[in-house]
Amino acid sequence: AQTVTQSQPEMSVQEAETVTLSCTYDTSESDYYLFWYKQPPSRQMILVIRQEAYKQQNATENRFSVNFQKAAKSFSLKISDSQLGDAAMYFCAYTQGNAGNMLTFGGGTRLMVKP
Amino acid sequence: NAGVTQTPKFRILKIGQSMTLQCTQDMNHNYMYWYRQDPGMGLKLIYYSVGAGITDKGEVPNGYNVSRSTTEDFPLRLELAAPSQTSVYFCASSRLLGTEKLFFGSGTQLSVL
Repeated sequence: AQTVTQSQPEMSVQEAETVTLSCTYDTSESDYYLFWYKQPPSRQMILVIRQEAYKQQNATENRFSVNFQKAAKSFSLKISDSQLGDAAMYFCAYTQGNAGNMLTFGGGTRLMVKP
Repeated sequence: NAGVTQTPKFRILKIGQSMTLQCTQDMNHNYMYWYRQDPGMGLKLIYYSVGAGITDKGEVPNGYNVSRSTTEDFPLRLELAAPSQTSVYFCASSRLLGTEKLFFGSGTQLSVL
């Protein structure tokens, strides 16, 4: 079974600084997708960024980028120029490409942003 | 543009009671999902549906039932509620199966006492 591990239960960052959230996963598949979801205090999960395993190029979305290391099975999220609105729980998630009916989530990292 | 709407937002049940969590989406998505989130944990898939009339079990289906009579609605039923079902429940939908972006509702916090 696939597993997703987020080793940092909590992280904090100063406003305008950069922070990196870690995620590792375990799979024997070659076709899969990785995601970072944000869960603010409102509880509603919001997609931050998505990466296809077959793409070598790291995905980016404005201030959010990933460092996808396929051989190491690592998928970290970098948030640049952190803003107060970035404070939330962040979840890393995995799904297989040919049966993408189930996302496997990590346990989450709580990000605090200090003004 | 409502997206995915869940009701109720909060509910307290007594052990053995039953209830239905409602979920509706207005994006004409074929794929819908129910997840639960236990305190301090990630989400786990309960059931999913690939279209009206078609449902399948996820990782943690025991104690739950679903139906999908229309594209828009995907209710989750809890029969004989147990304390282990205390959790936050999320409904989600997607345009394509799982590998694309999921749109989530705001969740239902359920306590079984």
